[in-house]
Amino acid sequence: DVQLVESGGGLVEPGTSLRLSCAASGFTFSSFNMNWVRQAPGKGLEWVSTISSSSNYIYYADSVKGRFTISRDDAENSLYLQMNSPRADDTAIYYCARGALFCSGGNCYPKYFQHWGQGTLVIVSS
Amino acid sequence: DIQMTQSPSSLSASVGDRVTFTCQASQDISNHLNWYQQKPGKAPKLLIYDASNLETGVPSRFRGSGSGTAFTFTISSLQPEDIATYFCQQYDNLPLTFGGGTRVDFK
Repeated sequence: DVQLVESGGGLVEPGTSLRLSCAASGFTFSSFNMNWVRQAPGKGLEWVSTISSSSNYIYYADSVKGRFTISRDDAENSLYLQMNSPRADDTAIYYCARGALFCSGGNCYPKYFQHWGQGTLVIVSS
Repeated sequence: DIQMTQSPSSLSASVGDRVTFTCQASQDISNHLNWYQQKPGKAPKLLIYDASNLETGVPSRFRGSGSGTAFTFTISSLQPEDIATYFCQQYDNLPLTFGGGTRVDFK
């Protein structure tokens, strides 16, 4: 069975940093693109970032571009999200999700999120 | 960014009812639309991809239809376990965007 387990969330002060991790099991991690999706308390879903297998394609939402960095370690079957200079509006449950890509015009983009972790809560507050 | 508008934002129905709600895209997205179900305190679950394709293992009472800018999600016979919030999501253009959700509960 596909399992995704996020960790690293907690209370963080604005302007500091935090690294989220996602441990994957039950599938060949290196073959799949991975994503972070977040959900502010009581709100809807927001796509954050995508990294393809082999890290050929990396995408970010404008709201986190330049502050967050997605990465993966295929040897460790792990996905990461480095959150620098977090703001209050980054407060959310962060989900790790395995997805599929949609390829068009020589590029590939995230398509859907097929398997999700249970999420890790990040609270940005002083 | 492509805006996804779901309506209604909530609805109440009885067990066995046919339930329908919609998702409107701010521009033509072809069939590049997915639907998710989220139960309270849980992660979302992919139900339908490419507007009308049922994800493996998802009951056939769930159905998606539409293309272009107008999409519909239907539960043919509401079951107790279907109480949840449903989100649409487009992948025609980055950033991927979700609708605000339709919450389904019992009358």
